[in-house]
Amino acid sequence: AQKITQTQPGMFVQEKEAVTLDCTYDTSDPSYGLFWYKQPSSGEMIFLIYQGSYDQQNATEGRYSLNFQKARKSANLVISASQLGDSAMYFCAMGAQKLVFGQGTRLTINP
Amino acid sequence: ETGVTQTPRHLVMGMTNKKSLKCEQHLGHNAMYWYKQSAKKPLELMFVYSLEERVENNSVPSRFSPECPNSSHLFLHLHTLQPEDSALYLCASSQVRAGGFNEQFFGPGTRLTVL
Repeated sequence: AQKITQTQPGMFVQEKEAVTLDCTYDTSDPSYGLFWYKQPSSGEMIFLIYQGSYDQQNATEGRYSLNFQKARKSANLVISASQLGDSAMYFCAMGAQKLVFGQGTRLTINP
Repeated sequence: ETGVTQTPRHLVMGMTNKKSLKCEQHLGHNAMYWYKQSAKKPLELMFVYSLEERVENNSVPSRFSPECPNSSHLFLHLHTLQPEDSALYLCASSQVRAGGFNEQFFGPGTRLTVL
């Protein structure tokens, strides 16, 4: 069975600082995808970034990057130059067609 | 309309009511999903439809009945629900490719309250 663990229930960061959200996973599948989603208070899940297990390079999308360490089974999300609008719940997920989600981390950006 | 839309956005119903949640995707995807998000619990996959056929039913009680009439529309029919079914119900869609990993795109959700 696949499992995602997000150990930080909440994080508080000063605006413009970089922030790292932790995600570890467990799976016996040789091939899988790792995803990060953002959920603002409005409820919609917004896709941020994706990493394939066979990808050699870490994925980047604008201010988002995924620090993928396969041997450690970790897929941390790094947000550079945080903004007030980054305040939201962040979910790590893994799988192929069926995704398993972690418990989420509530990120609060302070002005 | 763009992306994935869901109606209604909010729904309050009694335990004896029958209601339906609607989801429509405008992305040309070939797979659609229903998720349940309860407070303090991870997102739970309920149903998966791929190419309009149900491929997953994660031990969901029969009081939840999905319907996928075509690749763009997905319904969740609700009847005789329980208060513990109160949650945010999220619909998602994706383009399933052989050997690939497909990001899912979500709708805004329906906030359901069962009295």
